[in-house]
Amino acid sequence: QSALTQPASVSGSPGQSITISCTGTSSDVGTYNYVSWYQQHPGKAPKLMIYEVSNRPSGVPDRFSGSKSGNTASLTISGLQAEDETDYYCSSYTSSSTHVVFGGGTKLTVL
Amino acid sequence: EVQLLESGGGLVQPGGSLRLSCAGSGFTSSSYAMTWVRQAPGKGLEWVSAISGSGGTTYYTDSVKGRFTISRDNSKNTLYLQMNSLRAEDTAVYYCAKGLGGRNYYGMDVWGQGTTVTVS
Repeated sequence: QSALTQPASVSGSPGQSITISCTGTSSDVGTYNYVSWYQQHPGKAPKLMIYEVSNRPSGVPDRFSGSKSGNTASLTISGLQAEDETDYYCSSYTSSSTHVVFGGGTKLTVL
Repeated sequence: EVQLLESGGGLVQPGGSLRLSCAGSGFTSSSYAMTWVRQAPGKGLEWVSAISGSGGTTYYTDSVKGRFTISRDNSKNTLYLQMNSLRAEDTAVYYCAKGLGGRNYYGMDVWGQGTTVTVS
């Protein structure tokens, strides 16, 4: 069982917006602004999409945005495109001995 | 261009050992923490271990403490993971990843292609 909780799947139509949630605790998401989001296509390495809750690395489209409220972080993808269909993972620094925790991953389907 | 290339994976019997390597290029090694993350077949990502840019501080997830050792040679821009007492549950693709800063190992902005470890 993953330390951070993500929905197993979300879906949306092209052009629409979707939000993926990532729920943790006061030991991780709730206290630290070190939440990251990764995109992973099948058989490929993960790609950083958002770091420190809401920062986008160079080259990531501004359709991707991140936010946090309490113990829950969120990734929002606006203007959905077919190429966005894949798996997304959140992660957070944690004060526990695990140091970094990931969510279980969310499969995004573009209808 | 920043690149990472892992090697050293393979098939090993339970109780055996392997050493993974991750060769980096395009960045100053000592300026960035480095991390190992693994992914078991069909499963999600699991953080394994990290090391500060200087190599002076190391971090491990509980399940590998005492069995795995992370190290780095900044003169060679290479990261290592020595894995001993391997178990079936260590079977996974192992990725190395570059941290966002010298001590920031919890955000990873560049990833290698992964190397597969099978314990059986």
